[in-house]
This record gives sequence, C-alpha cells and structure tokens, in this order.
Amino acid sequence: EPEVTQTPSHQVTQMGQEVILRCVPISNHLYFYWYRQILGQKVEFLVSFYNNEISEKSEIFDDQFSVERPDGSNFTLKIRSTKLEDSAMYFCASSTTEATKNIQYFGAGTRLSVL
Amino acid sequence: GQSLEQPSEVTAVEGAIVQINCTYQTSGFYGLSWYQQHDGGAPTFLSYNALDGLEETGRFSSFLSRSDSYGYLLLQELQMKDSASYFCAVKWGSGGYQKVTFGTGTKLQVIP
Repeated sequence: EPEVTQTPSHQVTQMGQEVILRCVPISNHLYFYWYRQILGQKVEFLVSFYNNEISEKSEIFDDQFSVERPDGSNFTLKIRSTKLEDSAMYFCASSTTEATKNIQYFGAGTRLSVL
Repeated sequence: GQSLEQPSEVTAVEGAIVQINCTYQTSGFYGLSWYQQHDGGAPTFLSYNALDGLEETGRFSSFLSRSDSYGYLLLQELQMKDSASYFCAVKWGSGGYQKVTFGTGTKLQVIP
C-alpha cells in the first residue's frame, strides 16, 4: 500500500540553526500538508500546498517557515532559525482530488528536538 | 475562529460500544473527519462526514448533524487495540481553499 514517508525520523538541532524536514507524498496525490504536534497536545495545521504554491497557512506558519517541492517527489519544510518552542513532532500528509472526501494520509513524522 | 470540543478521556470495556462526541464552531464548514492516533504514531484517517447522517465503516461509524454543529464517532465491539487517541477535525474555508483544524483529542482506554 502506498504511504507517505518522512525523513529523518528524529532531528536534533541547536537553537538558531536551520533545519529541513523532508517528505515524499503518495505519488498520485496533489495536495500536501504539514502539521505539528507538541508532545501531549493536539495536531496543529501549519500549511497546505497545491499546484506548486501555498494554498493556506496558519498563524503558526510565520516568516521562519517555508515549504518547497523541489522536484516531482519531495516536499520539504524549512525552519530558518529554530527556537526551543519549535520542538515537536512534524507530520507531513497528502491527499487526492476526490471531491467529496478529504482523506489525508499522514507520514510517521519527524521528531524535532531543539536544544 | 474555529473551536472543537471533545471529551479528554473515555474508558470502556472490551467488547462494548463507546461514543465519542465532538461539537464545533466554525465558518465555512465543509465536513468533519475522525482520526485515530496511537501513542507515538501518526494520525490515521477513520471517516469523513460532509452531510447529515451516519457513515458506517466496519466496527466504526460516524455521525454528523450540521444544524447542531455536532458529530460523534461510534466504536463497536471494542478491542484492546482500539486504545488510542481519537481526534475530530473540521474541514473549513472558502473560495475553494480549505483548512483542517483538529480537536484536542479523546484518549480512549479499553479495559478487559
């Protein structure tokens, strides 16, 4: 069964450093998402991406965040200058163009630890 | 803004039926989804309701009442492996662009 893959599974970084989290969505999907989940809290929407541009973003997704689809398969989230409060699990998800459903398939996540 | 309310914890006995409620407030409502998340795992899609009524998928069913801004997830014949967190999530937006906002999650514990 096709799945969303994320690398690395765990990223440790120093405060102020840049990190890039990588995702390979399911191959025939067209909508891509990033979410974060701080330990013990709910899943929070960060950004959605369609047709090579951001379609929606939350207030969390400020200027230190950016997304890119550098080629036909990868979808990346960059955090320019990490802060301690960026420590969280980051999930990538993708979905199809079905009109009546929005089944988002989630990757296993990247745990980001900012020291 | 968007807000969703669901109970924080529910405990039920193996083999029983449990209902997890979700009330929401949002503009531009499209639909309500349910996701399951085991500790340390990724959310997994369970169901999506865009219209009023009941959707059944095996042991799981989901209900939506748009007029009441209310939905629930019904789990039947509970198994120990159903112990997990369950999130409702509203799909909302306008002009063709849509966001998803998750609730805070309900931790279900299934006991023997």
